[in-house]
Amino acid sequence: SAVISQKPSRDICQRGTSLTIQCQVDSQVTMMFWYRQQPGQSLTLIATANQGSEATYESGFVIDKFPISRPNLTFSTLTVSNMSPEDSSIYLCSLRASGSTDTQYFGPGTRLTVL
Amino acid sequence: EDQVTQSPEALRLQEGESSSLNCSYTVSGLRGLFWYRQDPGKGPEFLFTLYSAGEEKEKERLKATLTKKESFLHITAPKPEDSATYLCASPLEVLPPSAKAAGNKLTFGGGTRVLVKP
Repeated sequence: SAVISQKPSRDICQRGTSLTIQCQVDSQVTMMFWYRQQPGQSLTLIATANQGSEATYESGFVIDKFPISRPNLTFSTLTVSNMSPEDSSIYLCSLRASGSTDTQYFGPGTRLTVL
Repeated sequence: EDQVTQSPEALRLQEGESSSLNCSYTVSGLRGLFWYRQDPGKGPEFLFTLYSAGEEKEKERLKATLTKKESFLHITAPKPEDSATYLCASPLEVLPPSAKAAGNKLTFGGGTRVLVKP
Protein backbone atom coordinates (compact mmCIF):
# COMPACT_ATOMS: atom_id res chain seq x y z
CA SER A 1 0.00 0.00 0.00
CA ALA A 2 1.05 3.62 -0.52
CA VAL A 3 2.84 5.54 2.20
CA ILE A 4 0.92 8.65 3.27
CA SER A 5 2.43 11.47 5.31
CA GLN A 6 0.81 14.56 6.75
CA LYS A 7 2.24 17.82 7.99
CA PRO A 8 2.00 19.11 10.59
CA SER A 9 1.27 16.18 12.86
CA ARG A 10 -0.28 18.55 15.38
CA ASP A 11 -0.72 22.26 15.97
CA ILE A 12 -2.25 24.67 18.42
CA CYS A 13 -3.73 27.75 16.80
CA GLN A 14 -5.48 30.93 17.82
CA ARG A 15 -9.06 31.55 16.79
CA GLY A 16 -9.46 33.58 13.62
CA THR A 17 -6.27 32.24 12.03
CA SER A 18 -5.89 29.66 9.26
CA LEU A 19 -3.87 26.45 9.02
CA THR A 20 -2.86 24.56 5.91
CA ILE A 21 -2.41 20.81 6.24
CA GLN A 22 -0.31 18.95 3.70
CA CYS A 23 -0.80 15.39 2.53
CA GLN A 24 1.97 13.67 0.57
CA VAL A 25 1.75 10.22 -1.03
CA ASP A 26 4.68 8.20 -2.31
CA SER A 27 2.85 7.08 -5.46
CA GLN A 28 0.39 8.60 -7.90
CA VAL A 29 -3.25 8.30 -6.93
CA THR A 30 -6.35 9.59 -8.61
CA MET A 31 -8.72 10.01 -5.71
CA MET A 32 -7.83 11.60 -2.40
CA PHE A 33 -10.19 12.43 0.42
CA TRP A 34 -10.16 14.69 3.47
CA TYR A 35 -11.92 13.63 6.67
CA ARG A 36 -12.52 15.24 10.04
CA GLN A 37 -12.66 13.35 13.32
CA GLN A 38 -13.97 15.43 16.19
CA PRO A 39 -13.00 14.43 19.74
CA GLY A 40 -14.55 11.09 20.65
CA GLN A 41 -16.34 10.85 17.32
CA SER A 42 -16.03 8.81 14.17
CA LEU A 43 -14.82 10.08 10.80
CA THR A 44 -16.80 12.49 8.63
CA LEU A 45 -15.91 13.14 5.01
CA ILE A 46 -15.17 16.79 4.23
CA ALA A 47 -14.45 16.57 0.51
CA THR A 48 -13.11 14.50 -2.35
CA ALA A 49 -10.09 15.93 -4.16
CA ASN A 50 -9.29 14.81 -7.67
CA GLN A 51 -6.33 16.16 -9.57
CA GLY A 52 -7.27 18.67 -12.25
CA SER A 53 -10.76 19.43 -10.98
CA GLU A 54 -12.47 21.30 -8.18
CA ALA A 55 -12.91 19.43 -4.93
CA THR A 56 -16.37 18.03 -4.22
CA TYR A 57 -17.62 19.03 -0.76
CA GLU A 58 -20.03 17.13 1.44
CA SER A 59 -23.10 18.62 3.00
CA GLY A 60 -22.12 20.96 5.81
CA PHE A 61 -18.69 21.78 4.44
CA VAL A 62 -17.94 24.74 2.16
CA ILE A 63 -14.99 25.76 0.07
CA ASP A 64 -14.56 29.14 1.80
CA LYS A 65 -14.01 27.40 5.12
CA PHE A 66 -12.05 24.39 3.86
CA PRO A 67 -10.27 25.26 0.61
CA ILE A 68 -8.49 22.30 -0.94
CA SER A 69 -5.73 22.15 -3.51
CA ARG A 70 -4.69 19.13 -5.57
CA PRO A 71 -1.84 20.29 -7.80
CA ASN A 72 -0.65 16.83 -8.80
CA LEU A 73 -1.27 13.11 -8.26
CA THR A 74 0.87 12.82 -5.12
CA PHE A 75 -0.02 15.91 -3.10
CA SER A 76 -2.99 17.75 -1.62
CA THR A 77 -3.59 20.47 0.94
CA LEU A 78 -6.53 21.29 3.16
CA THR A 79 -6.80 24.74 4.72
CA VAL A 80 -8.94 25.32 7.79
CA SER A 81 -9.84 29.00 7.56
CA ASN A 82 -10.90 31.51 10.20
CA MET A 83 -10.67 28.87 12.88
CA SER A 84 -12.83 28.61 15.96
CA PRO A 85 -12.59 26.18 18.89
CA GLU A 86 -15.25 24.04 17.18
CA ASP A 87 -12.66 23.24 14.48
CA SER A 88 -10.53 21.38 17.00
CA SER A 89 -10.33 17.91 15.48
CA ILE A 90 -8.08 15.38 13.84
CA TYR A 91 -7.91 15.97 10.09
CA LEU A 92 -7.09 12.95 7.96
CA CYS A 93 -6.31 12.53 4.31
CA SER A 94 -6.94 9.24 2.59
CA LEU A 95 -6.54 7.75 -0.82
CA ARG A 96 -8.39 5.11 -2.74
CA ALA A 97 -6.22 2.24 -3.79
CA SER A 98 -5.64 1.91 -7.51
CA GLY A 99 -7.18 -0.97 -9.40
CA SER A 100 -10.55 -2.54 -8.77
CA THR A 101 -10.65 -2.33 -5.00
CA ASP A 102 -12.53 0.33 -3.06
CA THR A 103 -10.08 0.21 -0.20
CA GLN A 104 -9.11 3.55 1.28
CA TYR A 105 -5.88 4.05 3.18
CA PHE A 106 -5.44 6.83 5.69
CA GLY A 107 -2.63 9.14 6.65
CA PRO A 108 -1.50 9.53 10.27
CA GLY A 109 -3.69 12.59 10.81
CA THR A 110 -3.16 16.18 11.96
CA ARG A 111 -4.37 16.97 15.46
CA LEU A 112 -5.59 20.57 15.55
CA THR A 113 -6.42 22.47 18.71
CA VAL A 114 -7.94 25.94 18.42
CA LEU A 115 -7.80 28.20 21.45
CA GLU B 1 -30.79 7.42 4.40
CA ASP B 2 -27.88 5.02 4.38
CA GLN B 3 -26.56 4.34 7.85
CA VAL B 4 -23.80 2.33 9.48
CA THR B 5 -24.22 1.47 13.16
CA GLN B 6 -21.74 -0.26 15.45
CA SER B 7 -22.29 -1.99 18.76
CA PRO B 8 -21.30 -2.05 21.48
CA GLU B 9 -19.76 1.39 21.90
CA ALA B 10 -17.17 -0.02 24.28
CA LEU B 11 -15.98 -3.48 25.20
CA ARG B 12 -13.78 -4.48 28.11
CA LEU B 13 -12.24 -7.93 27.81
CA GLN B 14 -9.88 -10.02 29.82
CA GLU B 15 -6.90 -11.33 27.92
CA GLY B 16 -7.99 -14.54 26.19
CA GLU B 17 -11.70 -13.71 26.40
CA SER B 18 -13.08 -13.97 22.86
CA SER B 19 -15.85 -11.64 21.72
CA SER B 20 -17.54 -10.14 18.66
CA LEU B 21 -18.20 -6.62 17.44
CA ASN B 22 -21.25 -5.82 15.34
CA CYS B 23 -21.65 -3.49 12.38
CA SER B 24 -25.11 -3.18 10.88
CA TYR B 25 -25.93 -1.15 7.82
CA THR B 26 -29.16 0.04 6.28
CA VAL B 27 -28.69 0.65 2.60
CA SER B 28 -30.75 -0.01 -0.47
CA GLY B 29 -28.73 -3.10 -1.37
CA LEU B 30 -25.77 -5.16 -0.32
CA ARG B 31 -22.73 -2.92 -0.02
CA GLY B 32 -19.09 -3.56 0.61
CA LEU B 33 -17.90 -3.37 4.19
CA PHE B 34 -14.56 -2.11 5.43
CA TRP B 35 -13.02 -2.73 8.83
CA TYR B 36 -10.33 -0.49 10.28
CA ARG B 37 -8.37 -0.40 13.51
CA GLN B 38 -7.53 2.99 15.02
CA ASP B 39 -5.07 3.55 17.83
CA PRO B 40 -5.28 6.78 19.85
CA GLY B 41 -3.85 9.75 17.99
CA LYS B 42 -3.30 7.79 14.77
CA GLY B 43 -5.06 7.35 11.47
CA PRO B 44 -7.22 4.28 10.82
CA GLU B 45 -5.33 1.18 9.75
CA PHE B 46 -7.03 -0.93 7.10
CA LEU B 47 -7.96 -4.46 8.16
CA PHE B 48 -10.50 -6.05 5.79
CA THR B 49 -12.79 -5.49 2.87
CA LEU B 50 -15.85 -7.73 2.46
CA TYR B 51 -18.11 -7.65 -0.58
CA SER B 52 -20.39 -10.68 -0.55
CA ALA B 53 -22.73 -12.20 2.02
CA GLY B 54 -21.06 -15.28 3.46
CA GLU B 55 -17.57 -13.93 2.85
CA GLU B 56 -15.04 -14.27 5.66
CA LYS B 57 -11.53 -12.88 6.07
CA GLU B 58 -8.97 -13.50 8.80
CA LYS B 59 -5.88 -11.78 10.09
CA GLU B 60 -4.15 -13.12 13.17
CA ARG B 61 -6.74 -13.08 15.97
CA LEU B 62 -9.34 -11.19 13.93
CA LYS B 63 -11.99 -12.63 11.65
CA ALA B 64 -14.55 -10.55 9.78
CA THR B 65 -17.79 -11.99 8.43
CA LEU B 66 -20.57 -10.47 6.35
CA THR B 67 -24.30 -11.07 5.97
CA LYS B 68 -26.83 -9.09 3.96
CA LYS B 69 -27.56 -6.79 6.89
CA GLU B 70 -24.50 -6.80 9.10
CA SER B 71 -20.87 -7.65 9.61
CA PHE B 72 -19.11 -9.08 12.63
CA LEU B 73 -15.54 -8.72 13.73
CA HIS B 74 -14.61 -11.65 15.91
CA ILE B 75 -11.63 -11.30 18.22
CA THR B 76 -10.31 -14.70 19.31
CA ALA B 77 -8.22 -14.95 22.47
CA PRO B 78 -7.39 -11.25 22.46
CA LYS B 79 -4.18 -9.80 23.80
CA PRO B 80 -3.63 -6.34 25.34
CA GLU B 81 -2.13 -5.15 22.04
CA ASP B 82 -5.54 -5.69 20.42
CA SER B 83 -6.83 -2.75 22.44
CA ALA B 84 -7.96 -0.10 19.97
CA THR B 85 -11.05 1.42 18.41
CA TYR B 86 -12.45 -0.68 15.59
CA LEU B 87 -14.32 1.13 12.86
CA CYS B 88 -16.50 -0.23 10.12
CA ALA B 89 -17.45 1.72 7.02
CA SER B 90 -19.46 1.27 3.89
CA PRO B 91 -19.12 3.09 0.60
CA LEU B 92 -22.40 4.61 -0.53
CA GLU B 93 -21.69 3.32 -3.96
CA VAL B 94 -19.80 0.17 -4.66
CA LEU B 95 -19.28 -1.95 -7.69
CA PRO B 96 -18.24 -5.59 -7.82
CA PRO B 97 -14.54 -6.21 -7.40
CA SER B 98 -14.29 -7.06 -11.08
CA ALA B 99 -15.24 -3.55 -12.13
CA LYS B 100 -12.56 -0.97 -12.76
CA ALA B 101 -14.47 1.95 -11.34
CA ALA B 102 -15.08 1.77 -7.63
CA GLY B 103 -16.94 3.45 -4.83
CA ASN B 104 -16.22 6.79 -3.35
CA LYS B 105 -17.03 8.19 0.02
CA LEU B 106 -17.08 5.98 3.05
CA THR B 107 -19.75 6.28 5.71
CA PHE B 108 -18.30 5.28 9.07
CA GLY B 109 -19.96 3.76 12.07
CA GLY B 110 -19.36 5.25 15.50
CA GLY B 111 -16.69 2.70 16.35
CA THR B 112 -16.23 0.18 19.16
CA ARG B 113 -13.55 0.95 21.74
CA VAL B 114 -11.97 -2.33 22.81
CA LEU B 115 -9.86 -2.59 25.95
CA VAL B 116 -8.13 -5.89 26.65
CA LYS B 117 -6.80 -6.19 30.17
CA PRO B 118 -3.95 -8.57 31.03
